[in-house]
Amino acid sequence: DSGVTQTPKHLITATGQRVTLRCSPRSGDLSVYWYQQSLDQGLQFLIQYYNGEERAKGNILERFSAQQFPDLHSELNLSSLELGDSALYFCASSRLTSGGAPGQYFGPGTRLTVL
Amino acid sequence: AQSVAQPEDQVNVAEGNPLTVKCTYSVSGNPYLFWYVQYPNRGLQFLLKYITGDNLVKGSYGFEAEFNKSQTSFHLKKPSALVSDSALYFCAVRDDNYGQNFVFGPGTRLSVLP
Repeated sequence: DSGVTQTPKHLITATGQRVTLRCSPRSGDLSVYWYQQSLDQGLQFLIQYYNGEERAKGNILERFSAQQFPDLHSELNLSSLELGDSALYFCASSRLTSGGAPGQYFGPGTRLTVL
Repeated sequence: AQSVAQPEDQVNVAEGNPLTVKCTYSVSGNPYLFWYVQYPNRGLQFLLKYITGDNLVKGSYGFEAEFNKSQTSFHLKKPSALVSDSALYFCAVRDDNYGQNFVFGPGTRLSVLP
């Protein structure tokens, strides 16, 4: 158990809909990262937050957005869903943002299926 | 820009034999290098990392990795493979000049045959 929790575990929805994925980082971790894992694209970094502020942006679509709240949990919002958005969405957390290079601890993921 | 290559989609090895999963990288600054393992229907688990110092890094479950700066490689190794090592392995790099953006390789599926 990594200490990172993600809800829900599975999500099935229809095209055009909007969903919210939730992540709680390990206790004490200030950084949260979101990744999308699909069969054809591999593991893609989406976005990182550190202590409530956006720190780095990867291959995140404009239809997707995220935020990190004062209690450090994070939400990833996916809107106008398309079939191609079906994937595993992982959240990861780490302790530091600068100096050294901590490993990331991954949650179990949310499997999104868009029908 | 950072990039990571894992040249083999699949590696098959017999139980008890040594295994190697290859990784090469490209960064503009000094690399921070990581290996993660993913078991079916699970998230990624951190195995080991290289930041600085000794080029041979030891990690979890008997794995180790060797950093080779001249070949820009960070191959994962284990002296004696177990069937339970069968999983998907990801190499990742973070450039110390590029903030916190981690780049993951495409993954290598390791199958250890009994």
